[in-house]
Amino acid sequence: AQRVTQPEKLLSVFKGAPVELKCNYSYSGSPELFWYVQYSRQRLQLLLRHISRESIKGFTADLNKGETSFHLKKPFAQEEDSAMYYCALQGFQKLVFGTGTRLLVSP
Amino acid sequence: DTGVSQDPRHKITKRGQNVTFRCDPISEHNRLYWYRQTLGQGPEFLTYFQNEAQLEKSRLLSDRFSAERPKGSFSTLEIQRTEQGDSAMYLCASSLADRVGYTFGSGTRLTVV
Repeated sequence: AQRVTQPEKLLSVFKGAPVELKCNYSYSGSPELFWYVQYSRQRLQLLLRHISRESIKGFTADLNKGETSFHLKKPFAQEEDSAMYYCALQGFQKLVFGTGTRLLVSP
Repeated sequence: DTGVSQDPRHKITKRGQNVTFRCDPISEHNRLYWYRQTLGQGPEFLTYFQNEAQLEKSRLLSDRFSAERPKGSFSTLEIQRTEQGDSAMYLCASSLADRVGYTFGSGTRLTVV
């Protein structure tokens, strides 16, 4: 079964605090994972892909196959990071999304 | 080409009516996807086209739903005899290949009253 679990519906932090949004997956093959972000009143957009090993807007995510996790991290949160974040798994011919975590960064 | 376009942005319809949504993908993208998103949930896969061929349909796509991509360019999603449970955001996305991520449209919000 292909499944993505994001255990937190809401994560609330203060500006400058570290952030970790959790994502766990279930997939029998070699996983390809993504993080998507949706800012208020904007469309869903790709934030980063695990295969690229890139840092976008200060966010990074490392694939841990042993723990079947792909947590999204940022050392110092900014107010403009407030958004919905979705973890997604590339299954056979389609992306499978988690239920999302709302990140709220307060001043 | 400014990205994936969806029309209309909002649709309110009475229960039992038929509705049709349109998606214009990025022109060079041969893959087109339809997803549905309800409140508190992530996007759920509905169906997928490679060029004009519909290659996969979710069991969420009941026989009241039909999607087409007649010339491998734009796509339409039709819902017949709408029900209140069909109220959702319908998202279209396109991509050039697997494993590179999708580009999403802004979605069509359907409200069935």
